[in-house]
Amino acid sequence: DAGITQSPRHKVTETGTPVTLRCHQTENHRYMYWYRQDPGHGLRLIHYSYGVKDTDKGEVSDGYSVSRSKTEDFLLTLESATSSQTSVYFCAIKEGSSGTYEQYFGPGTRLTVT
Amino acid sequence: AQSVTQLDSQVPVFEEAPVELRCNYSSSVSVYLFWYVQYPNQGLQLLLKYLSGSTLVESINGFEAEFNKSQTSFHLRKPSVHISDTAEYFCAVTIAGGTSYGKLTFGQGTILTVHP
Repeated sequence: DAGITQSPRHKVTETGTPVTLRCHQTENHRYMYWYRQDPGHGLRLIHYSYGVKDTDKGEVSDGYSVSRSKTEDFLLTLESATSSQTSVYFCAIKEGSSGTYEQYFGPGTRLTVT
Repeated sequence: AQSVTQLDSQVPVFEEAPVELRCNYSSSVSVYLFWYVQYPNQGLQLLLKYLSGSTLVESINGFEAEFNKSQTSFHLRKPSVHISDTAEYFCAVTIAGGTSYGKLTFGQGTILTVHP
């Protein structure tokens, strides 16, 4: 295992409520990523971080925000959940050293917005 | 921007048969390529990668992929599949040289189902 945990693993919430998903790593890796997985779309990047307090948007960032106040934690927040955000969310990490390109993924969080 | 197309959404095969999962990419710059595998209700695991050097790369469980720059392809093959290979497979690319913060662009996924 790459030392990545995600919490919660499953969540059901109502439309309009805020939701925060947590990714925690024990590897001290510099880069962290949030993806969503939807049938027929593969995985799409939501936001990523390249250091503490350094974050940027990915391909599908609308309706999501992130924070990284310490190396080991990367939080994804849905400010006001919508049914279109029902998905499986994966966190990934990557070393910061030169020549390292592979990402390692967490177990995922299944989010249902009713 | 990069894009990845996996040409088959589902591939059913019988045990011990050969299989090929097709992946084509589009990019205006050099890329590195990856295949990830996802078993049911699990996260993604790296299967193999191409960064440079030999265009044929192999995994520890018998899969191989060949980088073909002229055809912009990175097809995944296995000469004889097992029931345990049943999973979803994803092809992904990132910009070579570390200028993209390692962001991956994924294909849509191919579900490989191995029948006894």
